[in-house]
Amino acid sequence: KAGVTQTPRYLIKTRGQQVTLSCSPISGHRSVSWYQQTPGQGLQFLFEYFSETQRNKGNFPGRFSGRQFSNSRSEMNVSTLELGDSALYLCASSATGADEKLFFGSGTQLSVL
Amino acid sequence: GNSVTQMEGPVTLSEEAFLTINCTYTATGYPSLFWYVQYPGEGLQLLLKATKADDKGSNKGFEATYRKETTSFHLEKGSVQVSDSAVYFCALGRPYNTDKLIFGTGTRLQVFP
Repeated sequence: KAGVTQTPRYLIKTRGQQVTLSCSPISGHRSVSWYQQTPGQGLQFLFEYFSETQRNKGNFPGRFSGRQFSNSRSEMNVSTLELGDSALYLCASSATGADEKLFFGSGTQLSVL
Repeated sequence: GNSVTQMEGPVTLSEEAFLTINCTYTATGYPSLFWYVQYPGEGLQLLLKATKADDKGSNKGFEATYRKETTSFHLEKGSVQVSDSAVYFCALGRPYNTDKLIFGTGTRLQVFP
């Protein structure tokens, strides 16, 4: 059974640009969560989608958005990139969101220059 | 609000030494508690969990006991190996719900032969 797949693995952008990150959950999983990991702030929750609906949202500005497709694949978009958006973005999936076990992908390392 | 506090690292040990990584939490209600591990270049993996007071989670020689009276969930291992070198994250979440986990800042463990 394939794990959580995130693409691309690395990304370099410049300030003001926008970026889209992709996450394919484990087959059969309907819940996808996104986290931002930085050395200073650690892991911070961005949002969670379940059956194409955003179910929970963290404390991030509106520049951060996401969506989930009918096949449970999810995308995260960051518009008007800032230097502080440089981070490892992790996606995690679970079967229902109620089984307590998250499976994480290896992440997308975003560098904003 | 809910929060998790972990001891700062890095923790540096020789192989076969005893490991303790401290974790305390602040939460309303009765959260579930988790330890996740992140190996270099990879996403997080669930190491162990506990869902109620006095529960002991264990996996791969690691143990942690949910102590409500001290609001703690310290991670221990009797004899560490070089392969245990990684970053360890303590986290809390709503019982039976993975929509939003709150993570500690992580503790890096380095084990030398």
